[in-house]
Amino acid sequence: NAGVTQTPKFQVLKTGQSMTLQCAQDMNHNSMYWYRQDPGMGLRLIYYSASEGTTDKGEVPNGYNVSRLNKREFSLRLESAAPSQTSVYFCASSVTGPRSEAFFGQGTRLTVV
Amino acid sequence: GNSVTQMEGPVTLSEEAFLTINCTYTATGYPSLFWYVQYPGEGLQLLLKATKADDKGSNKGFEATYRKETTSFHLEKGSVQVSDSAVYFCALFSNFGNEKLTFGTGTRLTIIP
Repeated sequence: NAGVTQTPKFQVLKTGQSMTLQCAQDMNHNSMYWYRQDPGMGLRLIYYSASEGTTDKGEVPNGYNVSRLNKREFSLRLESAAPSQTSVYFCASSVTGPRSEAFFGQGTRLTVV
Repeated sequence: GNSVTQMEGPVTLSEEAFLTINCTYTATGYPSLFWYVQYPGEGLQLLLKATKADDKGSNKGFEATYRKETTSFHLEKGSVQVSDSAVYFCALFSNFGNEKLTFGTGTRLTIIP
């Protein structure tokens, strides 16, 4: 039972570099999310996708872009990484929006130096 | 807007002690309330939930009651174990305004034998 799979698990970037965080779910969920987790701040929503082909901004979208490639996959791209984007990133999915249980990936620890 | 306020940690208890982690919320409408748990090195997983006032969610010996009059959803367990050591997040979903999960800052719990 794979659930939600994120890659990579760890990444170190230099300021200005770009990268894409990958996320895939095998539960046939409609909704997918990207969160960042910072000490003392809980989880903050970056972007979400209520269904294939749609994406919406969350609380902290600046500096990020997303692609809902198909129903299974939802990627997060940092075009020009900044030290303020050092964080742990979580992808999640749910059946019909946040009212139902959200399933989380194991996270990507990103450090921007 | 919606917000969740959690008891600040870290919390350290001895095995078999009684646990309470406080959570209060601010939301419009009638939110659903959740407790998620994050074990070391893992993503978040749903611990329990309650979708309407006076509902009690329970799982693995943990309980929380949705109290509309005090806007609270405190997490309790009668006798904690070392394996309960984790970070606990209170969260809400309201379908008024932004339809997204709003998380508290998390409470780190350590149980010592």
